[in-house]
Amino acid sequence: EVQLVESGGGLVQPGGSLRLSCAASGFTFSDRYMDWVRQAPGKGLEWVGRSRNKANSYTTEYAASVKGRFIISRDDSKNSVYLQMNGLKTEDTAVYYCVGAARYSGHYFSDYWGRGTLVTVSS
Amino acid sequence: DIQMTQSPSSLSASVGDRVIVTCRASQGISNYLVWFQQKPGKAPKSLIYGASNLQSGVPSRFSGSGSGTDFTLTITSLQPEDFATYYCQHFNSYPLTFGGGTTVEIK
Repeated sequence: EVQLVESGGGLVQPGGSLRLSCAASGFTFSDRYMDWVRQAPGKGLEWVGRSRNKANSYTTEYAASVKGRFIISRDDSKNSVYLQMNGLKTEDTAVYYCVGAARYSGHYFSDYWGRGTLVTVSS
Repeated sequence: DIQMTQSPSSLSASVGDRVIVTCRASQGISNYLVWFQQKPGKAPKSLIYGASNLQSGVPSRFSGSGSGTDFTLTITSLQPEDFATYYCQHFNSYPLTFGGGTTVEIK
């Protein structure tokens, strides 16, 4: 059974930092691209960023709203992916989902979702 | 960036109704589109990928169609468990973007 379990959410002051973790099981983690997606309270879904797999040099992509502030990394030996969030703003308040991406016709789409972890940025 | 526009933003329907949700991309995305269902307090669940491929375990009353810029999600014979919010997302290029969502409510 595929499982993605996020941790590390909580309350942080504006300008602060937080590191989210996501532990994966039930699939071959090292083959997968991994995404982070967030959802502000009562709002829609926003793609945050992506980590490609080892075969693609673990390269990353980010949404413009977080580029330069957030960093995605992964440790295949621990079946884990991370989201380092720096310079947090109140508008970063959201539930953050870890998502495993599946391949379709040479592209990757968000497929398996964790339950999410809430990040609240407030003074 | 590619903008994804869903319509309607919400609709009311009865059990047994046929429901159609549309998603339009601001530029061509071939068939690199996925549909998600999200229930309150839960994580989204992928229903259809590649515009028309049903995910394993998803009931056959769900179907998707379209290519290029215009896509539809159809639910034939709406069931009580289908009342939820539906999102489309393209995966043609970066950044990936979602539609604004369509909430299907009980009439």
